[in-house]
Amino acid sequence: AQKITQTQPGMFVQEKEAVTLDCTYDTSDPSYGLFWYKQPSSGEMIFLIYQGSYDQQNATEGRYSLNFQKARKSANLVISASQLGDSAMYFCAMREGQRSGGGADGLTFGKGTHLIIQP
Amino acid sequence: DAGVIQSPRHEVTEMGQEVTLRCKPISGHDYLFWYRQTMMRGLELLIYFNNNVPIDDSGMPEDRFSAKMPNASFSTLKIQPSEPRDSAVYFCASSLFRGARNTIYFGEGSWLTVV
Repeated sequence: AQKITQTQPGMFVQEKEAVTLDCTYDTSDPSYGLFWYKQPSSGEMIFLIYQGSYDQQNATEGRYSLNFQKARKSANLVISASQLGDSAMYFCAMREGQRSGGGADGLTFGKGTHLIIQP
Repeated sequence: DAGVIQSPRHEVTEMGQEVTLRCKPISGHDYLFWYRQTMMRGLELLIYFNNNVPIDDSGMPEDRFSAKMPNASFSTLKIQPSEPRDSAVYFCASSLFRGARNTIYFGEGSWLTVV
């Protein structure tokens, strides 16, 4: 079974509108981290936001926020007031094994959502 | 602060040739990862190191691929002999692992084309 599912292969959004990119995950590990990365057409992977499984509040970073619904295993990215420069691929990823003093795995990525912001 | 540094950025090589990709992680990070990205398979974790020791290489496609981390500031991914199906973007990434301080940062990638 896929550990990270992004159900939106592509999205078109009008500039200045808010955007929600969906991500669901599957893990039996009680301790994990969820990440969102942006990959513009130039190819680099840019870290956007992080949510730990024990975090009580939803993470926010500027215009980015993460709508974390643990019971539903959902970690949607919300971009407020979208800009043309937000056009890119967006990847949701999970890192399991976040126990203090223990080991950690690498990131498992979803297939991504191609977001296009239209003027 | 310098980020993860990869070289070369672009490489075109002929089938059968040896390819060596290089990575310098962020100073102080104790985890180093090699990923491969293709259109067909997306982002795949090939191998990762913790404190220079390989922890999981189950993602390495076959024996033609090998990775080393001789010290905390340098790692290589080698393909020998290369094949056209190895054409992909190879990312190196590094992280700390200290509670919440575990974000994985990526290099700009090495774009490999095998003809």
